[in-house]
Amino acid sequence: QQQVKQSPQSLIVQKGGISIINCAYENTAFDYFPWYQQFPGKGPALLIAIRPDVSEKKEGRFTISFNKSAKQFSLHIMDSQPGDSATYFCAALTGSARQLTFGSGTQLTVLP
Amino acid sequence: AAGVIQSPRHLIKEKRETATLKCYPIPRHDTVYWYQQGPGQDPQFLISFYEKMQSDKGSIPDRFSAQQFSDYHSELNMSSLELGDSALYFCASSLNREQYFGPGTRLTVT
Repeated sequence: QQQVKQSPQSLIVQKGGISIINCAYENTAFDYFPWYQQFPGKGPALLIAIRPDVSEKKEGRFTISFNKSAKQFSLHIMDSQPGDSATYFCAALTGSARQLTFGSGTQLTVLP
Repeated sequence: AAGVIQSPRHLIKEKRETATLKCYPIPRHDTVYWYQQGPGQDPQFLISFYEKMQSDKGSIPDRFSAQQFSDYHSELNMSSLELGDSALYFCASSLNREQYFGPGTRLTVT
């Protein structure tokens, strides 16, 4: 059973558009939520992360929105570029456990 | 900036053989993690070490073992390999909560 549910499984966006990927969790012990970008055959690269005491965090074109009461968080990629085409994973971490729990991933394709 | 180093990058083994994967964490990072990623799947946590001591254990088969050495590098030992062990194996390291992943070792069991 996936502890962190991610949607959509795949996403196609036109260049310049906004890509939105959503995640939901049940375990209220999660207190750190990173997003990773992974290209085929490469290791996941940390993009941006948020703690539940913050509702939004922005770094460049990437923004995380966090809704603690709904136990949901999302990644917004503004001005999406073909180079953003990759698989994106949301993840969660508890204060005590050091292991990341990943969502199932979203394959993003940005059309030129 | 220095990144996590993994070796080898590719490894081909036959069933029932043994494999050893190595990981060199980012300097001054105190925690090392191992993850397994099957095709089209998300990374699954195997095991972690904090200051050279095992700290958490995930879905790691009994055929696998790992350790972290005095220089902080870590090795994942896999014995009696099965076809289903074919996957990408990632090592990650952290100082605080941010985990940085290495490039991975692609293990193919034939």
